Amino acid sequence: SQQGEEDPQALSIQEGENATMNCSYKTSINNLQWYRQNSGRGLVHLILIRSNEREKHSGRLRVTLDTSKKSSSLLITASRAADTASYFCATEYMDSNYQLIWGAGTKLIIKP
Amino acid sequence: EAQVTQNPRYLITVTGKKLTVTCSQNMNHEYMSWYRQDPGLGLRQIYYSMNVEVTDKGDVPEGYKVSRKEKRNFPLILESPSPNQTSLYFCASQGMGWTDTQYFGPGTRLTVL
Repeated sequence: SQQGEEDPQALSIQEGENATMNCSYKTSINNLQWYRQNSGRGLVHLILIRSNEREKHSGRLRVTLDTSKKSSSLLITASRAADTASYFCATEYMDSNYQLIWGAGTKLIIKP
Repeated sequence: EAQVTQNPRYLITVTGKKLTVTCSQNMNHEYMSWYRQDPGLGLRQIYYSMNVEVTDKGDVPEGYKVSRKEKRNFPLILESPSPNQTSLYFCASQGMGWTDTQYFGPGTRLTVL
């Protein structure tokens, strides 16, 4: 089945800098979600953005959605060492039974 | 505390020996799902269930079975495990609201020798 694509695959930045990750998908969606995973552990939901929304904020996180380009970005501002994790986007495509299509993830490393 | 639990967390087994990974959620969610996660491939859905006695195949169902006899439980069964089923497995549950998202269990790392 179709998977989203994320880039970059890996990102290493200094603490305090901003981190931007991108996600592209292939078909019309109901919503797009971002999750975080710490080293082989369970995934934690960060933000859900619906197809009729363009931008959403949650604390230091900002997500944008461009349905014309079928893409989304996740911005983490003022990064901290604790933000080191893998970040995944998942799309709930139209007419699905709540099924999510997952990207392969971006591995983010925050250097102290 | 709202949570999804999985057991066992780690399992090493041999080819052909039937095993079951349990999954339970305490949020009264209708939707439950099993994923496997392999390096570089993200999460791939194995099976999902929309409600009790309602299950359906995901993207990679071969070699797996599930059942949903109770709302809270969604066990994953490997009747005859093979080495290519060595992976990290996650169970997830979700409510059916417009903005509900998936809650994940802690994962089960399975090695099939």
